[in-house]
Amino acid sequence: SQQGEEDPQALSIQEGENATMNCSYKTSINNLQWYRQNSGRGLVHLILIRSNEREKHSGRLRVTLDTSKKSSSLLITASRAADTASYFCAISAGSSNTGKLIFGQGTTLQVKP
Amino acid sequence: SQTIHQWPATLVQPVGSPLSLECTVEGTSNPNLYWYRQAAGRGLQLLFYSVGIGQISSEVPQNLSASRPQDRQFILSSKKLLLSDSGFYLCAWKKWEQSDTQYFGPGTRLTVL
Repeated sequence: SQQGEEDPQALSIQEGENATMNCSYKTSINNLQWYRQNSGRGLVHLILIRSNEREKHSGRLRVTLDTSKKSSSLLITASRAADTASYFCAISAGSSNTGKLIFGQGTTLQVKP
Repeated sequence: SQTIHQWPATLVQPVGSPLSLECTVEGTSNPNLYWYRQAAGRGLQLLFYSVGIGQISSEVPQNLSASRPQDRQFILSSKKLLLSDSGFYLCAWKKWEQSDTQYFGPGTRLTVL
């Protein structure tokens, strides 16, 4: 399966701490993306990192990609209670015309105030 | 700006009844469109995608079908619902000529009893 696998499945931290989530996959990719989902809502795109990139930043988010290990990590710095949500990695592989994404099972993050 | 709508937001249907979920996108043309299903506490499973009017690709053989009667309209249907069809259904779109970033609708919560 090309599906991304995320670790940990659940994470609980205090406000102000950093949160790190990991994603592993099994195939060559075009890019890897991270999405966020608040409970009962649709997903929101956070960041995209291409296969030839190693690190990317967006505000309090830092994403790394190691294609040799087929893994990526998402770091949220100085977490806030509002960051409480599920986070999913999604990989784009194969033909880019379809835009198909394969999603992981997600990491549920709880940030305690 | 682009927006994506899904309706209904919530649906409770008896086993064996038909289903029609609708998704429409505004503010863009010729988008790629996607239907996903999400089981409770799980990741997203791609059901169907479409790169143009009347063109549907099925990812998982099952009790569902999809149609794209207009450029920005995507419909998910079933003739007879099963208990296993319960879940959270998400529609998404992306610009066909650009990156793989997908934009999600608010979702439909389907409960089959």
